[in-house]
Amino acid sequence: DAGITQSPRHKVTETGTPVTLRCHQTENHRYMYWYRQDPGHGLRLIHYSYGVKDTDKGEVSDGYSVSRSKTEDFLLTLESATSSQTSVYFCAISEGLAGSTDTQYFGPGTRLTVL
Amino acid sequence: ILNVEQSPQSLHVQEGDSTNFTCSFPSSNFYALHWYRWETAKSPEALFVMTLNGDEKKKGRISATLNTKEGYSYLYIKGSQPEDSATYLCFSVGSASKIIFGSGTRLSIRP
Repeated sequence: DAGITQSPRHKVTETGTPVTLRCHQTENHRYMYWYRQDPGHGLRLIHYSYGVKDTDKGEVSDGYSVSRSKTEDFLLTLESATSSQTSVYFCAISEGLAGSTDTQYFGPGTRLTVL
Repeated sequence: ILNVEQSPQSLHVQEGDSTNFTCSFPSSNFYALHWYRWETAKSPEALFVMTLNGDEKKKGRISATLNTKEGYSYLYIKGSQPEDSATYLCFSVGSASKIIFGSGTRLSIRP
C-alpha cells in the first residue's frame, strides 16, 4: 500500500467552525489531491497540488482552501464549516498528473460531520 | 455526453456467473480512462488505465475495453467470486487534465 495517511479519520464539528484535514505521504510523489465523496456523486475533485506551494482548484472548490508547505503534507481547510460539507474526504497522490495515465493512490478517508 | 455515467448503478450476480458494466464518457478531447475497484471501508485501488481506441486490458478474471470514438468502456468479470464484491469506479481525463469521475457500479456477488 502507498504510504498515505489522513488525520483525523473521523470528526464531528459545528456549523461555522474552522476545520483542517491533513494528508501525509511518504512516497515523495509530486501531485496530491483532495476529493469528497457523496452518495450519487462518486468522487469530486476539490483542489489539487502539483508541488510545494503550487495548488489549483477542482470542480467543487468553493468553501475550501488548501496549503502545501512541504512535499509530504497537503492540508484541506474549511474556513467556516457548513452542513453541506458533511462528507467523506479522500486524499490521493500520484507521481505524474492524474490527468494523464498515472495511477492515483488513495488514502483511507476522513468522515466529517457538520452539525 | 458531458459527464461520466456508469450503468447499472448496482448489480447482483450469482457466484460463478460472468458480468459486465459500462462507463460512458465525453468522447471529445479525450485523453485517458481509468478504472478503480473500491471495497467497502477501504480506499479505491487502480485496475486499469487506457488511452487508445480499441485498447483492451486484463488482470486475472477482470478485463476492460475502450471505445474512444463513441465514448464508452466496458468492464468484464469472468466467473464472479465473492471477493469481487465492490464498487467499480471509472474516471475520464480530458483536455486540460480535467478529471471526471462516474458515480460507480456497486457489484454484489451472491454465494
